Amino acid sequence: QSVLTQPPSASGTPGQRVTISCSGSSSNIGSNSVYWYQQFPGTAPKLLIYSNNQRPSGVPDRFSGSWSGTSASLAISGLRSQDEADYYCAAWDDSLSGVVFGGGTKLTVL
Amino acid sequence: EVQLVESGGGLIQPGGSLRLSCAASGFTVSGNYMTWVRQAPGKGLEWVSFIYSGGRTGYAESVKGRFTISRDNSNNTFFLQMNTLRPEDTAVYYCARGSGPLYLDPWGQGTLVTVSS
Repeated sequence: QSVLTQPPSASGTPGQRVTISCSGSSSNIGSNSVYWYQQFPGTAPKLLIYSNNQRPSGVPDRFSGSWSGTSASLAISGLRSQDEADYYCAAWDDSLSGVVFGGGTKLTVL
Repeated sequence: EVQLVESGGGLIQPGGSLRLSCAASGFTVSGNYMTWVRQAPGKGLEWVSFIYSGGRTGYAESVKGRFTISRDNSNNTFFLQMNTLRPEDTAVYYCARGSGPLYLDPWGQGTLVTVSS
């Protein structure tokens, strides 16, 4: 059972906008920044969003992050087939003094 | 080019020990958060440990007391010493550079550790 809760799956059609939620608590999302990672099968994760809503260089602006209270969301607009991957949220947890990840969401592009 | 290359994975019996290495190039390990994250087969990501530039370390509860992170600045490499291994430690272990415990970029290609008799 992950400390951060994500839906196990999400789906959308090409061109659509999809959102993936990440729910936590006051000791993690409620007091620390949220990060998002993208992972394709058989490859290492890649940083997608940092500090709740910032994109590293090279990440398309179709990807955006938001945060409110103890929850965060990743939005992908203009969905493409190459966006089909697993997405993970992560945050620092003050109670655990460590990094916690969500269980991951598998995005399917129909 | 900034790159990380893991090594040291393999098959080990329960209760055994293994040391993973992560060789860095294009930057110095001493100036960053160097982190290990693992992924059990078919499962999600799990943070394992980090070592900070000042020598501060952090461990997940699941490995505390069994795993030790360290670094060799002269060889620009950091390590994960894993003792008293359990079947539930079976995973692909990734190393990553962090400018902070969560800004992990880049990641290595991963090394598989299988704990089984």
